[in-house]
Amino acid sequence: AQRVTQPEKLLSVFKGAPVELKCNYSYSGSPELFWYVQYSRQRLQLLLRHISRESIKGFTADLNKGETSFHLKKPFAQEEDSAMYYCALRMIKAAGNKLTFGGGTRVLVKP
Amino acid sequence: KAGVTQTPRYLIKTRGQQVTLSCSPISGHRSVSWYQQTPGQGLQFLFEYFSETQRNKGNFPGRFSGRQFSNSRSEMNVSTLELGDSALYLCASSSTVNTEAFFGQGTRLTVV
Repeated sequence: AQRVTQPEKLLSVFKGAPVELKCNYSYSGSPELFWYVQYSRQRLQLLLRHISRESIKGFTADLNKGETSFHLKKPFAQEEDSAMYYCALRMIKAAGNKLTFGGGTRVLVKP
Repeated sequence: KAGVTQTPRYLIKTRGQQVTLSCSPISGHRSVSWYQQTPGQGLQFLFEYFSETQRNKGNFPGRFSGRQFSNSRSEMNVSTLELGDSALYLCASSSTVNTEAFFGQGTRLTVV
């Protein structure tokens, strides 16, 4: 069975400091990895997917199959980055859109 | 275009009752997935419907069921409610397979 682990429940950083959110997964097949973000009072929305390999809002994430990780990074955190972040996995070869989520990391960016 | 719409937004039910939640996907989307979100268990997959057929099912008891209509709208039903069913229920729609999932605002269910 697939599993996604986000070891940090809370990350508190100062504005302008780097931030890294850890995500590790376990899955024997080929996974597709995502980062979702939920800002206060807003719906869950897609931030990044590993296959697109793009930077969104200054965030990047690299899939490391050797370490089974998909950490999210931003070199200079902004106050508007304060939100709940979820790492999620989808099985590429499986039919369907089922997502397996990690427990989430709350990011607080202090001025 | 309009996003995923879930109704109602809030519900309070008594233990033992049943409840039906509704989800209207983005126009043209054929896949609808349901998730339960609780502080203790996080986001857990309930089931997915695609073209009126259940395609995937999570590890929830049979009290949790769903269906999808020909217009892709979906409902989920929980029978014999328990206190532990109190949660935020999220619906996500996708156009087909392996495409981006768009989430609704959720229905917050409180069982008393």
